[in-house]
Amino acid sequence: AQSVSQHNHHVILSEAASLELGCNYSYGGTVNLFWYVQYPGQHLQLLLKYFSGDPLVKGIKGFEAEFIKSKFSFNLRKPSVQWSDTAEYFCAVNAPTGTASKLTFGTGTRLQVTL
Amino acid sequence: GAGVSQTPSNKVTEKGKYVELRCDPISGHTALYWYRQSLGQGPEFLIYFQGTGAADDSGLPNDRFFAVRPEGSVSTLKIQRTERGDSAVYLCASSFLQSGSSDTQYFGPGTRLTVL
Repeated sequence: AQSVSQHNHHVILSEAASLELGCNYSYGGTVNLFWYVQYPGQHLQLLLKYFSGDPLVKGIKGFEAEFIKSKFSFNLRKPSVQWSDTAEYFCAVNAPTGTASKLTFGTGTRLQVTL
Repeated sequence: GAGVSQTPSNKVTEKGKYVELRCDPISGHTALYWYRQSLGQGPEFLIYFQGTGAADDSGLPNDRFFAVRPEGSVSTLKIQRTERGDSAVYLCASSFLQSGSSDTQYFGPGTRLTVL
């Protein structure tokens, strides 16, 4: 069975600080990896995804993530956060079976950016 | 175009009652998923449909939960004899899966179910 760990439950940063949110997964085969974001009062939105190819993935709003297969990790980064990045961030994984596949999510990281 | 929509946005019911939650996927999306999100947790998979059939219902917690997608578009999640532990946000997602490729799921706003 797949599992996802997000070790940072609540992160508080000042504007312009750099961000790195950890995500580790447990699964023996090939995986697809995702980061979703949920802004206050809004629904889950896709931030970025990795299916194959270049392990450094760039997403919207200046976010990027790096897939390190040997570490089973897919950490999210942003060089300089903004107050508007305050949100909950979820890492998720599924198996690329060639058919639709359920996502397994981590418990989420709440990011609070202060002015 | 329009995203995934879910109705109602909020549902308050009493223990033991029956509820139906509706999901309208993005037009043309073939796969539809239901997840449940409890407070402080990530979404947990319940069931998904490929077309009209339930391709994987392994996440349904018990036989009080049932979902249908009779015409391959709109889906209804049905919960019988609701319990207080069923209180959560129920999320729907849809995707357009092309043969042999991986799919990206797009989520709706959710239905917040409260069982008193």
